[in-house]
Amino acid sequence: EVQVLESGGGLVQPGGSLRLSCVASGFTFSSDAMSWVRQAPGKGLEWVSGISSGTTFYTDSVKGRFTISRDSSNNTLYLQMNSLRAEDTAVYYCAMGYTSLSSWGQGTLVTVSS
Amino acid sequence: QSALTQPASVTGSLGQSITISCTGTSSDIGIYNYVAWYQQHPGKAPRLIIYDVSDRPSGVSNRFSGSKSGNTASLTISGLQAEDEAHYYCCSYTSSRIVVFGTGTRVVVL
Repeated sequence: EVQVLESGGGLVQPGGSLRLSCVASGFTFSSDAMSWVRQAPGKGLEWVSGISSGTTFYTDSVKGRFTISRDSSNNTLYLQMNSLRAEDTAVYYCAMGYTSLSSWGQGTLVTVSS
Repeated sequence: QSALTQPASVTGSLGQSITISCTGTSSDIGIYNYVAWYQQHPGKAPRLIIYDVSDRPSGVSNRFSGSKSGNTASLTISGLQAEDEAHYYCCSYTSSRIVVFGTGTRVVVL
């Protein structure tokens, strides 16, 4: 069974940093594309970043501030978030896939506030 | 990259069929067959129900079907059931090599 589990969310001040982790199991993590999607409170889904065949992609609003990476030795996907802003406040989901996201975690809440 | 456009809400009665539209541009839906649809119940993670415009993942009811014409994709739910009441989001790959979601549609079942 495919499973992904996010962690690392929390309260951070504007301008601060946070690193999210996503541990995956039940599939060949090293070869499958992965994505991060976020959902601000009461709002819709927003694709944030993806990694496919070693190439990384970002939505414009996080380019230069967020970095996606993976460690295939321990089946973990990361999202390093720097220079955080209030508008980055959201539940962040890790998901398997890129053009279609077949398995999702339960999400981790990131709150950017002073 | 702007979000794809969906109606805010669609209402249908039990047993009826409804269709949700998803309008993009010639830089996303218009040129790629990488359109997906997700169902999200309150407080839950999204679930993939359609991928590659019209394919269904294993375990998804055949009451859900997808199609595309030009820059617009559509999701049809037939034989509407109470458990179909949820938010639905379309999603497309784009010429910028990123993915963009739709604005989301709330489905209300009477």
